[in-house]
Amino acid sequence: AQSVSQHNHHVILSEAASLELGCNYSYGGTVNLFWYVQYPGQHLQLLLKYFSGDPLVKGIKGFEAEFIKSKFSFNLRKPSVQWSDTAEYFCAVRSFSGYSTLTFGKGTMLLVSP
Amino acid sequence: KAGVTQTPRYLIKTRGQQVTLSCSPISGHRSVSWYQQTPGQGLQFLFEYFSETQRNKGNFPGRFSGRQFSNSRSEMNVSTLELGDSALYLCASSSGLAGAHYEQYFGPGTRLTVT
Repeated sequence: AQSVSQHNHHVILSEAASLELGCNYSYGGTVNLFWYVQYPGQHLQLLLKYFSGDPLVKGIKGFEAEFIKSKFSFNLRKPSVQWSDTAEYFCAVRSFSGYSTLTFGKGTMLLVSP
Repeated sequence: KAGVTQTPRYLIKTRGQQVTLSCSPISGHRSVSWYQQTPGQGLQFLFEYFSETQRNKGNFPGRFSGRQFSNSRSEMNVSTLELGDSALYLCASSSGLAGAHYEQYFGPGTRLTVT
């Protein structure tokens, strides 16, 4: 069974700091990769996704992620965080075979102090 | 397009009771997946329905069940509620087509509290 590991459970940053959240997955075949964000009191929203092609994908609100196949990683980055980025971030993987399901990491809570 | 809707948004039940949660997917989407979200376990997959058929099932006891109707709306049922069933239950919809790249869109969830 596939698994997803997010390296940090909690991250605290000051505004304007750079952000990198780690995500590693275990499945060896073709995968679809996602980062979702859950702002306080709101529902899960898709930040960005990787299906194929350019391994550097850009999402909403200035976020980007890089897929490194050899490392089974899909790290999320943002060059300069804002207070409004305070939220929980989830990495998710779906193996691209048959009727596969989405597997989520445990999430990383990001707190940005003004 | 309207997003995924879930009803009710909040629910309080007592142990031993049963509960039914409802989800309406985005128009045109044929797949509905259900997840349980708790602080300790994160997001755990419950089951997925596609065109009224259960296509995948997570590792949950048989007290958790679901179904999908011909209009793609889905319900999940939990019988004999336990305190540990207290969670946010999320529904997600997608095109769900096998062999296709697609993303899931999530609803706001139903917050279930079991006392």
